Amino acid sequence: QVQLVQSGSDLQKPGASVKVSCKASGYSFTTIAMNWVRQAPGQGLEWMGWINTNYGTPTYAQGFSGRFVFSLDASVSTAYLEISSLKTEDTAVYYCARSWGGFDYWGQGALVTVSS
Amino acid sequence: QSALAQPASVSGSPGQSITISCTGGGSDIGGPYNYVYWYQQYPGKAPTLIIYEVDKRPSGVSNRFSGSKSGRTASLTISGLQAEDEATYHCKAYATDMTWVFGGGTKLTVL
Repeated sequence: QVQLVQSGSDLQKPGASVKVSCKASGYSFTTIAMNWVRQAPGQGLEWMGWINTNYGTPTYAQGFSGRFVFSLDASVSTAYLEISSLKTEDTAVYYCARSWGGFDYWGQGALVTVSS
Repeated sequence: QSALAQPASVSGSPGQSITISCTGGGSDIGGPYNYVYWYQQYPGKAPTLIIYEVDKRPSGVSNRFSGSKSGRTASLTISGLQAEDEATYHCKAYATDMTWVFGGGTKLTVL
């Protein structure tokens, strides 16, 4: 069965970096795009962009270029989200979600907390 | 892209029907694509897809959930409301600039 398993919660200080992983299983990883979605505490969902898992090319939504980097390692069916120069307002749950007739499978979410 | 507009909360009694609206613009919901989606999210859990392409239900989703669209507004209707439907519902649409935009989410309370 299809599964997206994300790395665990992370606590970082402002200015640091964090890398969230999303390991896919149960399907051919390079055939379906992977999206990243942010949910700040008590807020709605925000689409951050997506990565073409066949070519590794990322597309970033407005407001998510520069400090946010999508990458992948197809050999281990894993997508990554790296956030640099962390700010307190980056505190959120970050989800990966594949696109197939909608975002049909989601990771369980990774809570990133930025606090001094 | 601005977020799609959803009511912050709706409520209904068991057995009743409720409708959640999702209003966008001419470049997303009112645009040329029928790419409107609805997700259900329980507290502390990841969202799950319940409606795709305006009015289609994924396998396993109850037929009490239905979707529609008119102009710049999409709607999710839940009929025969049950306690287990208490959750937050998010709409999402594809825009002409090839981006996805979400609504702010609507918290459904079953009285």
